[in-house]
Amino acid sequence: DQQVKQNSPSLSVQEGRISILNCDYTNSMFDYFLWYKKYPAEGPTFLISISSIKDKNEDGRFTVFLNKSAKHLSLHIVPSQPGDSAVYFCAASATGGTSYGKLTFGQGTILTVHP
Amino acid sequence: DAGVIQSPRHEVTEMGQEVTLRCKPISGHNSLFWYRQTMMRGLELLIYFNNNVPIDDSGMPEDRFSAKMPNASFSTLKIQPSEPRDSAVYFCASSLDTGRNEKLFFGSGTQLSVL
Repeated sequence: DQQVKQNSPSLSVQEGRISILNCDYTNSMFDYFLWYKKYPAEGPTFLISISSIKDKNEDGRFTVFLNKSAKHLSLHIVPSQPGDSAVYFCAASATGGTSYGKLTFGQGTILTVHP
Repeated sequence: DAGVIQSPRHEVTEMGQEVTLRCKPISGHNSLFWYRQTMMRGLELLIYFNNNVPIDDSGMPEDRFSAKMPNASFSTLKIQPSEPRDSAVYFCASSLDTGRNEKLFFGSGTQLSVL
């Protein structure tokens, strides 16, 4: 039962263009969402997050959009750079109760940015 | 801080052998998580601890898997006996659980190959 889904295994874009990575979730209790980036032979690192009380959060070239009614979030990278090539994981948590910071991750999307 | 430290980085073993993966969380962090990365399911949560106590082990695949956290600075994940389908990258992560959506910090992972 995959509660967080990233339906696109891979995405290829040209340098300078926009990259849009998508994520869907099924658990209505999720109220905090994150994106992690992972380079080969390294662990995932935190990129950006959004609380369910917002619908947009921006940090430099990275913007995360949240559509609660559709249970969908997306990560926009503008402009895309070759160094952004990595695996991107969407994650979600339910902060109520005793989650202790537990995150549920999607399968990941491999982003390749071509020079 | 050195970050989350995992050992070994790579482990190659034969089916039926015991495998022990090790993790040292970031000093001061009180939550520790073991994840497994596969192509099909992405990052799966296996088990997590809070203040050295196992909170949820529902993600542990079967009785062949066990995890311990004898103190705040050390955790192990053991597979006995190992099988080829256990081949994956195993990540340890830690966080400072304050109930305010603290980020997870991941180690570099252990690449396990069971032949």
